[in-house]
Order: sequence, then C-alpha cells, then structure tokens
Amino acid sequence: DAKTTQPPSMDCAEGRAANLPCNHSTISGNEYVYWYRQIHSQGPQYIIHGLKNNETNEMASLIITEDRKSSTLILPHATLRDTAVYYCIVREDNTGKLIFGQGTTLQVKP
Amino acid sequence: EAQVTQNPRYLITVTGKKLTVTCSQNMNHEYMSWYRQDPGLGLRQIYYSMNVEVTDKGDVPEGYKVSRKEKRNFPLILESPSPNQTSLYFCASSFLAGGLEQFFGPGTRLTVL
Repeated sequence: DAKTTQPPSMDCAEGRAANLPCNHSTISGNEYVYWYRQIHSQGPQYIIHGLKNNETNEMASLIITEDRKSSTLILPHATLRDTAVYYCIVREDNTGKLIFGQGTTLQVKP
Repeated sequence: EAQVTQNPRYLITVTGKKLTVTCSQNMNHEYMSWYRQDPGLGLRQIYYSMNVEVTDKGDVPEGYKVSRKEKRNFPLILESPSPNQTSLYFCASSFLAGGLEQFFGPGTRLTVL
C-alpha cells in the first residue's frame, strides 16, 4: 500500500500557482519524498525529491513540514501542459521500488 | 538523447501465444524495473534488476519472466499470456536502485484476447 495520501483531484487556473498537498505521516527518518507526474498514460516523469529541506528546481518547489509528516508540491505558474496525475511517493526501501498511489489529478484551466 | 525505449508500443494477441516486450536504456543504468498499470490499481512493480544477471520479483510477478543478460536490455516475457495480463506496461531505469530519479519508457499497451 502507498504510504501517502493525496486529494483525488484539484483545479488550477492557468498562470497561477498550483499547490498539491500530500500526507505521509508514517514516513521514516531516512525516507525521501518523491514527486512524479503522468500525462495521459505516458510514462511517469520525475519532478523533484526531498528529505527534510525545501527543494526547488526548474520544474517545481517542494515544501516539507518540519515534522516531515506532510509536503506540498508547488508549480509556480501552471500551464495547460501541466494537466496530469501527480504522484507523491515515499521510497520504501533499497529495492528501488516506487509505490504509486492514486495520485492527484490536476486540471489546469484557461 | 538519454531515454528508455520499449517495443512494441501496442500489441493485441491471443491467449497462450508467447510474447516478449523489449526494454532498452542508453544511460548505462544498473537498475531496471517493470511495472504494470491498471485502472484503480495504479502502477505495480512486476520484476526488477539490480544489475546484469541479477533479477528479483516485485509485487505481481506471476505469469511473467525477465532476463538481464546485458546492462542495457531488460525484456519482459509472457510465456502464456492470459486476458488478466491485459494492461499498460512501463519499463523504468535508474543509475542505482537507490537512484534519485527513475526514467520511464513510453509504455506498451497489451491486449490479450
């Protein structure tokens, strides 16, 4: 079972920031939080990851709470091409397995 | 261009007819993995490989075989496909099992009649 909980869907206006929440209350101290997205049945695409500090790259920012029990993925200026299913994943172990939950379907609207 | 390729992208076959879905990566990654995606069940890992000649079962290995004779290739073999193996299949790779980013292929949509 996935170790994360996400809302099933969200809407966002084009050009605005999209804030996608994720709860991972049972996360262990050495487990990373990863975000991937999947656009319409294409292969999932890596977005960003973090351990405890906030992270930013060219795609998004990741804000992790101090207790690490939740995090937020921020797409600063959402475009229509950001419409996708976003998965928040806590890496389980060193087998490399990613456990994908149901994710959040983000719909960016004009 | 760094990528994971899968072939075929689409396949319709009949029950019992052996098939192979190929997966190849050009990034010299040690770790490779196969997932299947079904509506309502998300992506589930079938098999993975830590390195050449090292493979192990994931969560749903029944009915599948894999091999890793060389680093770049990780074929998925269905010896006797059944309709419950109708699914969307993804191959993924990363530098190491603990690699921070996994690269996914474009997917293979398989229908078993």
